[in-house]
Amino acid sequence: EADIYQTPRYLVIGTGKKITLECSQTMGHDKMYWYQQDPGMELHLIHYSYGVNSTEKGDLSSESTVSRIRTEHFPLTLESARPSHTSQYLCASSEPGGGWGEQFFGPGTRLTVL
Amino acid sequence: AQSVTQLGSHVSVSEGALVLLRCNYSSSVPPYLFWYVQYPNQGLQLLLKYTSAATLVKGINGFEAEFKKSETSFHLTKPSAHMSDAAEYFCAVTADSNYQLIWGAGTKLIIKP
Repeated sequence: EADIYQTPRYLVIGTGKKITLECSQTMGHDKMYWYQQDPGMELHLIHYSYGVNSTEKGDLSSESTVSRIRTEHFPLTLESARPSHTSQYLCASSEPGGGWGEQFFGPGTRLTVL
Repeated sequence: AQSVTQLGSHVSVSEGALVLLRCNYSSSVPPYLFWYVQYPNQGLQLLLKYTSAATLVKGINGFEAEFKKSETSFHLTKPSAHMSDAAEYFCAVTADSNYQLIWGAGTKLIIKP
């Protein structure tokens, strides 16, 4: 079944740790996105990719980095986690050609940095 | 620049009553518009989308939305609320030819028994 997966679903970690949030999709989509979501706020785009070896920063400044070595895999890394990074992180993908903008979402990773 | 405004961060309706969630957009080009729903501790799921075909769009779970260009609106409605509709709803507009989405801040729908 075509889907988009995120692991872990929940992560509690101490300040200064390096973390990687995993995102994989089996939908055959070229475009992938990372959003940061805080309660009562709109989704903020932090990174996106149009395909292998393509990564761009989004509208919201983020201290995270991403890579796109394989079409189906788009991990997000924080080199040194801080309490300000506490948030929900959503991964999404969209069809080749954009599909009018429709995006398909994973279940999210809720990150808490102590 | 494109933008989306959702009126009301929280909307409370009784079970069986009409649901109306408001979305107004600003776009310099003909927009594509979307409504997504997010249940607790889950990702976002597409409810419906407007892509310049029929102005009245029907979606999943009995929801529909009407595109009104003159009012720059895309309000979401459901004739009769069900307890399972309690969730957060997000309106979004396509920003540009790269089809990036611009998001509203979301409206939390509360269903009273």
